[in-house]
Amino acid sequence: ETGVTQSPTHLIKTRGQQVTLRCSSQSGHNTVSWYQQALGQGPQFIFQYYREEENGRGNFPPRFSGLQFPNYSSELNVNALELDDSALYLCASSLGTGHNTEAFFGQGTRLTVV
Amino acid sequence: DQQVKQNSPSLSVQEGRISILNCDYTNSMFDYFLWYKKYPAEGPTFLISISSIKDKNEDGRFTVFLNKSAKHLSLHIVPSQPGDSAVYFCAAYSGAGSYQLTFGKGTKLSVIP
Repeated sequence: ETGVTQSPTHLIKTRGQQVTLRCSSQSGHNTVSWYQQALGQGPQFIFQYYREEENGRGNFPPRFSGLQFPNYSSELNVNALELDDSALYLCASSLGTGHNTEAFFGQGTRLTVV
Repeated sequence: DQQVKQNSPSLSVQEGRISILNCDYTNSMFDYFLWYKKYPAEGPTFLISISSIKDKNEDGRFTVFLNKSAKHLSLHIVPSQPGDSAVYFCAAYSGAGSYQLTFGKGTKLSVIP
């Protein structure tokens, strides 16, 4: 059973560019959530996908968008990058949604915007 | 505004002693609480959880206590081991249909051999 894997592990982008981050969910998991963790902060919820549909969204602007594919892997896209987008981006997969389903996190993608 | 607060950024404990990590919350809709542990260069890993209908949950060396009236929970690690050195995050869900985890800022625990 493979865990949650994210790619790339590190990335440097220039302000104004676009970036795509990828996440392969744990085998059998149909739900993926994305979180942003800024330095010195806890992870903040961006959005969740369940069976290829967005299932909920946190307080992030529309330039943060996502996709979930039939194999339940997922992408996070960020357009018009800003310096404040520099953070660790975490993907978590779970079987189903709701508050007592355990979410398994990937190791994260460290994005630096210069 | 921080709905989940971990007011101690760091904690140092001697090996073998008890580690107590604290967490306060402000949202009375939170009904399920979790603790995650995070090592550098790894994602958070689930440690232990507690439902708001309980006041204690135990799993081996780890015990979580919930005081709903004070909106406070704590994680006890007994005995503490050097391998427990990590950042610990308190997190919460609100409502049965909730999909969003709200995290605190974390407490860095250092267990000194």
